[in-house]
Amino acid sequence: GAGVSQTPSNKVTEKGKYVELRCDPISGHTALYWYRQSLGQGPEFLIYFQGTGAADDSGLPNDRFFAVRPEGSVSTLKIQRTERGDSAVYLCASSLGGQGFDEQFFGPGTRLTVL
Amino acid sequence: AQSVTQPDIHITVSEGASLELRCNYSYGATPYLFWYVQSPGQGLQLLLKYFSGDTLVQGIKGFEAEFKRSQSSFNLRKPSVHWSDAAEYFCAVGAVGNTPLVFGKGTRLSVIA
Repeated sequence: GAGVSQTPSNKVTEKGKYVELRCDPISGHTALYWYRQSLGQGPEFLIYFQGTGAADDSGLPNDRFFAVRPEGSVSTLKIQRTERGDSAVYLCASSLGGQGFDEQFFGPGTRLTVL
Repeated sequence: AQSVTQPDIHITVSEGASLELRCNYSYGATPYLFWYVQSPGQGLQLLLKYFSGDTLVQGIKGFEAEFKRSQSSFNLRKPSVHWSDAAEYFCAVGAVGNTPLVFGKGTRLSVIA
């Protein structure tokens, strides 16, 4: 079946602009995660959804970052007033979201470049 | 708080040689441990995972890892490296309840002829 997809694959924007990054999880997966991977670093957690609600948003760096998942499937990560330091690869992952621990399946990521 | 340390930033091995990538974790309870591989421009692919039971776990592509609680380690091994194994490898730790993963900074593997 289809894996996790992310669009766009690349996004170049100017400092101060607003961007939206989209994640389509695997069908039936209730848990969805956003991570950010800066150059030379491992992925760092941003926000985790269980269904439509954000179960944990402690990784969002500041209030310029916001994410939604209105129908419990597709999620959008929104970044306002982008800064050069926001440049990174933004990874989305999904899992079944059961009570134990389910494997997270990662998308290919969106490479964001802020000029 | 959970943390993962991968002490080696970059490792170079000859094709056919054995490989060991180190991973140390910090976690208060029994961790769920993972190794992921990331090729250039690709997403993260799960190589193997440890939840409980046998401390030696087998994964895909001929990789294995051993969980050593006394050393808080989960090192990745492969007996004979292939050129296609050149990639970035990440160790990660998670906890019950589908909490987000905590990743190490990664080890870049180069394979030479």
